Amino acid sequence: GAGVSQSPSNKVTEKGKDVELRCDPISGHTALYWYRQSLGQGLEFLIYFQGNSAPDKSGLPSDRFSAERTGGSVSTLTIQRTQQEDSAVYLCASSLAGRSSNEKLFFGSGTQLSVL
Amino acid sequence: RKEVEQDPGPFNVPEGATVAFNCTYSNSASQSFFWYRQDCRKEPKLLMSVYSSGNEDGRFTAQLNRASQYISLLIRDSKLSDSATYLCVVKDGGFKTIFGAGTRLFVKA
Repeated sequence: GAGVSQSPSNKVTEKGKDVELRCDPISGHTALYWYRQSLGQGLEFLIYFQGNSAPDKSGLPSDRFSAERTGGSVSTLTIQRTQQEDSAVYLCASSLAGRSSNEKLFFGSGTQLSVL
Repeated sequence: RKEVEQDPGPFNVPEGATVAFNCTYSNSASQSFFWYRQDCRKEPKLLMSVYSSGNEDGRFTAQLNRASQYISLLIRDSKLSDSATYLCVVKDGGFKTIFGAGTRLFVKA
C-alpha cells in the first residue's frame, strides 16, 4: 500500500490476555517506530528499529512489552498479560532513514487497544 | 524532567489572531526539530521542520534557539481549520524521535 498500515484498527481484550499488534511500513522505509498515546495525552516513545541494527527498546514500559521486525519490514508489538493501563492507541511510524536527519515520520492510523 | 516539554494549553483564540507555542528540550545533543500537527482522533502529520536560521511556511513561522534549547511556532491570521494539537518533536543524532505532549489550539469564529 501507499502508506503505513496497522492492524487491527480496534482490539478489545480481557485483562490478562496477550495481544499482537501489526505494522506494515511504507516499502523501502528502513526505520520503524512504535508509540503509545493515551486519551488526551502525547505520544510516548516505545521502541524503534533501524535496518539490521539492534532496536532501541528504551521506551518499553515493562517486560510484558516486546516487539520484533521480521525481514526488515513488518513489525509486531506484543503485549503479554494485558492490564487496564495498557489501554491506549498504539501508533506505528516509518521513515526512509537515509543520511538526512530531517526526514519526516509517516504514521499509520493506529490500533485502539481496550483492556476490560 | 521530560525530554520535550510543551505548554498543554488549551489556547482559545479568535479567527485572525496570532498565537505562539513554545517548547523546550533537555538533550543538548539533539540534531533535528519539527512541529507536527494532530487532528482529533487522527495520526500526527508533519507541519514543518525547524531550522537554526528560522523558517517560514505561509502563516507559520518556526524558530530554534539552540543555546536555550527552545523551539517556537508562530501562527498568524489563525483559521478555524488550524484547530488541532501541535506537537513539538526532537530527534537525536541517530533516529530516536521524541514527541512532546502537545499544545491544543481552538480557533473560534
